[in-house]
Amino acid sequence: SQTIHQWPATLVQPVGSPLSLECTVEGTSNPNLYWYRQAAGRGLQLLFYSVGIGQISSEVPQNLSASRPQDRQFILSSKKLLLSDSGFYLCAWSGLHGAETQYFGPGTRLLVL
Amino acid sequence: AQKVTQAQTEISVVEKEDVTLDCVYETRDTTYYLFWYKQPPSGELVFLIRRNSFDEQNEISGRYSWNFQKSTSSFNFTITASQVVDSAVYFCALIANRDDKIIFGKGTRLHILP
Repeated sequence: SQTIHQWPATLVQPVGSPLSLECTVEGTSNPNLYWYRQAAGRGLQLLFYSVGIGQISSEVPQNLSASRPQDRQFILSSKKLLLSDSGFYLCAWSGLHGAETQYFGPGTRLLVL
Repeated sequence: AQKVTQAQTEISVVEKEDVTLDCVYETRDTTYYLFWYKQPPSGELVFLIRRNSFDEQNEISGRYSWNFQKSTSSFNFTITASQVVDSAVYFCALIANRDDKIIFGKGTRLHILP
């Protein structure tokens, strides 16, 4: 069966510090991968998605970037965090074909102080 | 453009009551897929159901049931005999045609009171 991991689970970082959140998927090949952010008490915002290694599409211009160095690894990064980057970050995967169900990881809670 | 509306921001019911969460969607595509997800306090989004636009049969899974009506563009979710563990935020979502992007509603926060 497929599983999706995210780490760290919780992170507290000062403004201006770098960020690296990692997401890995097991039990499937060539997944589509997604990064979402959920601000406190609000809905989900798609940040990036990837249909293959090195292929990243950005949905919202911002302080963040994403990379996919391996088929089942998706990394969310920032060079300098802003207060507004605080939130709950969720990684998700889906099958290769369009309109497939997305399955979510446990998420990372990021607090920027 | 696609859109999902969950008009109920927050609902509170007493345990063992039935509760229905509303979802109304908009799309011009004839082929689309509808989803419900549960987000418990731990934060992870848990997939509950997926329906395609050609299958209007209602579905029941234990205490959960879903009513899909294309005539009203609705995909409502009912929890029968609610339990405290059902307390969560529930999201309705839509993927139109073969797009990879899922459109989420803003969610309904459900409180089940003991």
